[in-house]
Amino acid sequence: EPEVTQTPSHQVTQMGQEVILRCVPISNHLYFYWYRQILGQKVEFLVSFYNNEISEKSEIFDDQFSVERPDGSNFTLKIRSTKLEDSAMYFCASSGGIFYNEQFFGPGTRLTVL
Amino acid sequence: GDSVTQMEGPVTLSEEAFLTINCTYTATGYPSLFWYVQYPGEGLQLLLKATKADDKGSNKGFEATYRKETTSFHLEKGSVQVSDSAVYFCALSLDTGNQFYFGTGTSLTVIP
Repeated sequence: EPEVTQTPSHQVTQMGQEVILRCVPISNHLYFYWYRQILGQKVEFLVSFYNNEISEKSEIFDDQFSVERPDGSNFTLKIRSTKLEDSAMYFCASSGGIFYNEQFFGPGTRLTVL
Repeated sequence: GDSVTQMEGPVTLSEEAFLTINCTYTATGYPSLFWYVQYPGEGLQLLLKATKADDKGSNKGFEATYRKETTSFHLEKGSVQVSDSAVYFCALSLDTGNQFYFGTGTSLTVIP
């Protein structure tokens, strides 16, 4: 069964450093998303991406964040200068195909900012 | 705005007990409704969904009915198992490609 994959599973970084979180969505999907979940809190939407551009973004997704689909398979989230409060689990999701309104989530990347 | 309100946890039940996790929503349009489950150390997995009023989603013994009149999508299971221990998230989406709005999650622990 096709699935969304994410790497790395855990990333530890120093405050102020740049991080890139990587995702490989399901191959025939057209919509891609990033969400985050701060420990013990709800899953929050960051950004959606369609047709090589951002289609929707939340207030959380400020200038420190960017997304890119550098090739036909990867979808990345970059945080330019990490803050302590960026520590969270980051989930990638994709949708499309026959289950058009269902989002398939990856296992997540746990980001720890020290 | 669009949002989901979910029953606070944690919930602890004995094996074979009946489970209800309440979920109500507020939406500007006609949303699709979902329940996702997160097992320890894992990502979000779709448990069931319903795309229009009066639809019933079901999977692995879990059920939820889309009630437009009460704006609810409560999750139920007649007899829980230890393996059902997880965090359950109610979510809504207004359209394909739109963001999901998640509830706060309800942690369920089932004891033998």
